Amino acid sequence: QVQLQESGPGLVKPSETLSLTCIVSGGSINNYYWSWIRQPPGKGLEWIGYIYYNGITDYNPSLMSRVTISVDTSKNQFSLNLTSVTAADTAVYYCARDYNTFRESTGFDPWGHGTLVTVSS
Amino acid sequence: QSALTQPASVSGSPGQSITISCTGTSSDVDDFNYVSWYNYVSWYQQHPGKAPKLIIFDVSFRPSGVSNRFSGSKSGNTASLTISGLQAEDEADYYCSLYTSSSIWVFGGGTKLTVL
Repeated sequence: QVQLQESGPGLVKPSETLSLTCIVSGGSINNYYWSWIRQPPGKGLEWIGYIYYNGITDYNPSLMSRVTISVDTSKNQFSLNLTSVTAADTAVYYCARDYNTFRESTGFDPWGHGTLVTVSS
Repeated sequence: QSALTQPASVSGSPGQSITISCTGTSSDVDDFNYVSWYNYVSWYQQHPGKAPKLIIFDVSFRPSGVSNRFSGSKSGNTASLTISGLQAEDEADYYCSLYTSSSIWVFGGGTKLTVL
C-alpha cells in the first residue's frame, strides 16, 4: 500500500520560500504523476502542479511564476518550492499521486495526510 | 480563469438519494462538451480534518473499494455525483475536479452534505 508523507516547516515568514517534501513509501515513484494540492483553512482545494517521475512538470497558471516542483527518484520523493510567500499562501498542503500509471488525468489517490503551513512574521 | 460551480450545500435523510452538480464555466466549458475526448472529471469526499478521498474518476468510474452507492454522470457542461441509500457516514464535503485541455486541474468550490 503506497503511502505519502509531507514534511517541512510549519511556519514560513512573508517573502520567504516555502519548501516541502513528499516521501513515497510502499511503492515506486516511477511511472506515475505526482501533485501538490493545497487547501486554505475553511476553504476549497487548489491544485498547485504536478511532476512525472521523469521530471516533466505542469503548474497552475495562477502560481506558475512562483512554483517549482522537483523529483528525486533515488530517494523516492518529490518536492515543492513556493517563493515570495504571503499570508494568502497559508494552507494545508497535500501531496498526492494520480490513480493510474502513465496518466496525469485520472484523479488523485492516494493522498498524504497534509501539513499546515502558516505564513507569518 | 476556468471555474467549476457546485452548490454550497445539500442535505438528505438516511436512505434517500441526493445529487450534487458541478457546472463548468468559462473556457473549461468546452472541455465538458468534448464528450469523447475529455471525460476527465473526478469527485472527492473529504471528512473534517482528513485528506480528500477519490470516489469517482473519468466521470463515472469508481476506484476499488468505493461503495457502489456513489455514481457519477455528465451531461453537457454539468457533471453530477449521486449518492444513493444515504448514510450518516456520508456527511462530508464533496469536490468535483476537471483535468482541462490546458493540462491543468481545476476544482469546484465544494459542497457540504448534511445527513438529516
